[in-house]
Amino acid sequence: DAKTTQPTSMDCAEGRAANLPCNHSTISGNEYVYWYRQIHSQGPQYIIHGLKNNETNEMASLIITEDRKSSTLILPHATLRDTAVYYCIVPNYNNNDMRFGAGTRLTVKP
Amino acid sequence: NAGVTQTPKFRVLKTGQSMTLLCAQDMNHEYMYWYRQDPGMGLRLIHYSVGEGTTAKGEVPDGYNVSRLKKQNFLLGLESAAPSQTSVYFCASSTRTVYTEAFFGQGTRLTVV
Repeated sequence: DAKTTQPTSMDCAEGRAANLPCNHSTISGNEYVYWYRQIHSQGPQYIIHGLKNNETNEMASLIITEDRKSSTLILPHATLRDTAVYYCIVPNYNNNDMRFGAGTRLTVKP
Repeated sequence: NAGVTQTPKFRVLKTGQSMTLLCAQDMNHEYMYWYRQDPGMGLRLIHYSVGEGTTAKGEVPDGYNVSRLKKQNFLLGLESAAPSQTSVYFCASSTRTVYTEAFFGQGTRLTVV
């Protein structure tokens, strides 16, 4: 898997946008970037994924740089329920496995 | 549609005992995974399967065995449990690793004393 680097923790004010960065400088041309989150001790939940273009769904937006070496997950209006650990993953296209790192612990504060 | 179901949800084992964790999915997914998560840590991949009858090792396979005899089930076995295997175990499934999302179960909390 392409190695990903994320900050250990971040804070965000309720109602403001949360911008979570991820570096994946060794990513290959056919590898996707995935984002998951884990709320408290529940099973991880899929958020969004992308290859080259920016992506948006009902949960978040994903901005991938032109050189694809980094990306940012954006939660446009963070709520207290968005407090979670966010994982950026780049699965190896050939290995068929999916490995999580330590993620970023996002705390949304009132 | 239950999604991914893990059995049991909680278990306490004595050192040296064996047990099997069951993961069942009803989404006709090809790929299934087993992870463990230690307190304050991220998920680590134990074993995975890309189809019925096939399994492969992940990051931390030692002390575990798996079987995928039926497409919908992925079993994780501990032959001789050790305290170091105390953890929360998560199962996941997906149609494929790339292009699609993975769905996770709610976890099995295992304590080995």
